[in-house]
Amino acid sequence: EPEVTQTPSHQVTQMGQEVILRCVPISNHLYFYWYRQILGQKVEFLVSFYNNEISEKSEIFDDQFSVERPDGSNFTLKIRSTKLEDSAMYFCASRGLYEQYFGPGTRLTVT
Amino acid sequence: QQQVKQSPQSLIVQKGGISIINCAYENTAFDYFPWYQQFPGKGPALLIAIRPDVSEKKEGRFTISFNKSAKQFSLHIMDSQPGDSATYFCAASNLGGATNKLIFGTGTLLAVQP
Repeated sequence: EPEVTQTPSHQVTQMGQEVILRCVPISNHLYFYWYRQILGQKVEFLVSFYNNEISEKSEIFDDQFSVERPDGSNFTLKIRSTKLEDSAMYFCASRGLYEQYFGPGTRLTVT
Repeated sequence: QQQVKQSPQSLIVQKGGISIINCAYENTAFDYFPWYQQFPGKGPALLIAIRPDVSEKKEGRFTISFNKSAKQFSLHIMDSQPGDSATYFCAASNLGGATNKLIFGTGTLLAVQP
């Protein structure tokens, strides 16, 4: 069964450093998303991506964040200068018709 | 208006019992309502979803009930098992919107006691 994969599973970084979180969406999906979940809280929408451009972004997705689909399979989230409050689980999701399927997540810890 | 309210925050059910989790929304543009199951350290897994053209959808032991006029929907887990112990999130989306982003509820931690 096709699935969304994410790497790394855990990333530890120092405040101010750049991180890149990687995702491989389900191959025939066209819509891609990043969500964030702070420990013990609900899942929050960050950004959606379609046709090689951002279609919507939330208030959380400020200038420190960027997304890219560098090739036909990968979808990346970059945080340019990490802050302590960026510590969270980051989930990639991809969508076919209606259903969004989530990856296992990357736990980002900013120290 | 983008919020989805979910209750209860936590739920303890005996094995074999029925687990019921409720959600309410305000935005009438929402037209897709999925439920996700999340185990600790894992990503949300799509469990079941409903469109507002039906009032109920059943898949195995899981049933969604939908009340369009009340803008409420609920998840029923019949014959609850210890393996069902997880956090359950309801969500809502506008399929006619530009992005179909999911708006999640706050989650319900379900514990099924053996």
